[in-house]
Amino acid sequence: AQKVTQAQTEISVVEKEDVTLDCVYETRDTTYYLFWYKQPPSGELVFLIRRNSFDEQNEISGRYSWNFQKSTSSFNFTITASQVVDSAVYFCALPNTDKLIFGTGTRLQVFP
Amino acid sequence: EAGVTQSPTHLIKTRGQQATLRCSPISGHTSVYWYQQALGLGLQFLLWYDEGEERNRGNFPPRFSGRQFPNYSSELNVNALELEDSALYLCASSYSGADTQYFGPGTRLTVL
Repeated sequence: AQKVTQAQTEISVVEKEDVTLDCVYETRDTTYYLFWYKQPPSGELVFLIRRNSFDEQNEISGRYSWNFQKSTSSFNFTITASQVVDSAVYFCALPNTDKLIFGTGTRLQVFP
Repeated sequence: EAGVTQSPTHLIKTRGQQATLRCSPISGHTSVYWYQQALGLGLQFLLWYDEGEERNRGNFPPRFSGRQFPNYSSELNVNALELEDSALYLCASSYSGADTQYFGPGTRLTVL
C-alpha cells in the first residue's frame, strides 16, 4: 500500500537559516509521482512540485530545492535562507491511482 | 487564470442538519476531488468526480455524497451532520485522474 511518512512534526528556525523537510515514502509501483504542497495559515494547499520517479536529478526553484533518492525512498525539501513567509505546514504526497495519499505534514515556523 | 474556487468560506450548522459545499474547478479541468482535513486526522480523500460521474470514494459513510454538474463544478453534501464532521473541506481539480491536483481555499464546516 502507498504510504508517506513525515517524521518531523514541527520545526522552528530563525530567518535566513536553511531548513530541510524530510519525506519517506512506500510504494509498490515501479513508476510514480511525488508531490510537495504548502498550506499557509489561510488553509489553501499550494502546489509546489511534482517529480516523476524516472527523474532523480535534484531540482532547484529559487530558494527551494528538492532531493529525490529512489534508493532510500526519500524526497526531501530544502528551503535556503528561510523567510517568515515560509511559515506554513508542508505536505509530501504520493498518488494512489486517482487520489493523493498525504503525509501528516511538517509545521515550519520561521521567526524574525 | 482563475484557480479553484469554493463556497462558502465558512459554514456553521447544528447536529442533524445538512450541509452543501460547492466547488468550481480551474477552467479546462474535468476532474474534481474532495478531501477532508479534520483536526488530528490529516488530509483524507473523500470523493473523486470526472466527466460527471463518481469515480471513487474514500472510507466515509454514505451520508457524504456529491455530484458533478455539466460545467464540471461540484457539490458535496453531508447529511445528518455529526460533531466530528467539523473540518476543513478542500476541493481540488485536475485535467484527468492522473494529473496534478490544484486545491481551492477550502470551506471550514463547524457543527455545533
